[in-house]
Amino acid sequence: SQQGEEDPQALSIQEGENATMNCSYKTSINNLQWYRQNSGRGLVHLILIRSNEREKHSGRLRVTLDTSKKSSSLLITASRAADTASYFCATGDGNKLVFGAGTILRVKS
Amino acid sequence: EAGVAQSPRYKIIEKRQSVAFWCNPISGHATLYWYQQILGQGPKLLIQFQNNGVVDDSQLPKDRFSAERLKGVDSTLKIQPAKLEDSAVYLCASSLSSAANQPQHFGDGTRLSIL
Repeated sequence: SQQGEEDPQALSIQEGENATMNCSYKTSINNLQWYRQNSGRGLVHLILIRSNEREKHSGRLRVTLDTSKKSSSLLITASRAADTASYFCATGDGNKLVFGAGTILRVKS
Repeated sequence: EAGVAQSPRYKIIEKRQSVAFWCNPISGHATLYWYQQILGQGPKLLIQFQNNGVVDDSQLPKDRFSAERLKGVDSTLKIQPAKLEDSAVYLCASSLSSAANQPQHFGDGTRLSIL
């Protein structure tokens, strides 16, 4: 079963705009990870946020976690055409990760 | 460092045939994962190895799928016989340990089409 559910399913923006993707999950977690997948490629790890953290930054990425609402968001600032990809959240379930269905992001130049 | 290597990149077979995929993880990574990713969905874990032992194979259809990781390094995933519903991308990933707080490193996958 897929614990994380991303919202929206698809997002189309202009280059330079910010992109926000949300992830909701059902059960308590130890950590939440975000991954990117370019078309025809494998997933690439972006960022991990632990359950006792509320916000984390990495370059143009900002991730927030609200454990009371069981939700996380990924913000990509000043988007570029190269950010076009699918983005997945994954929640830690014991010693394995459970991935959501992903958000397809298209950045138009 | 070299990434996770998978082969072949593409495979087309007819239903009821057999197929095998190969994965070479990042050197030193103890944990290896096989995922199935159906078009439009996220990856679904099929099997997880810690060294050469199975940690989790609860979602592996054992009547037709098998996997092994001999000597705790390379791994193969086999499907026999294949069904139409097995059309998907099969991703291999590895991580330093089996803890869920470890980032996973993915190969580019094998795209399987069943005719």
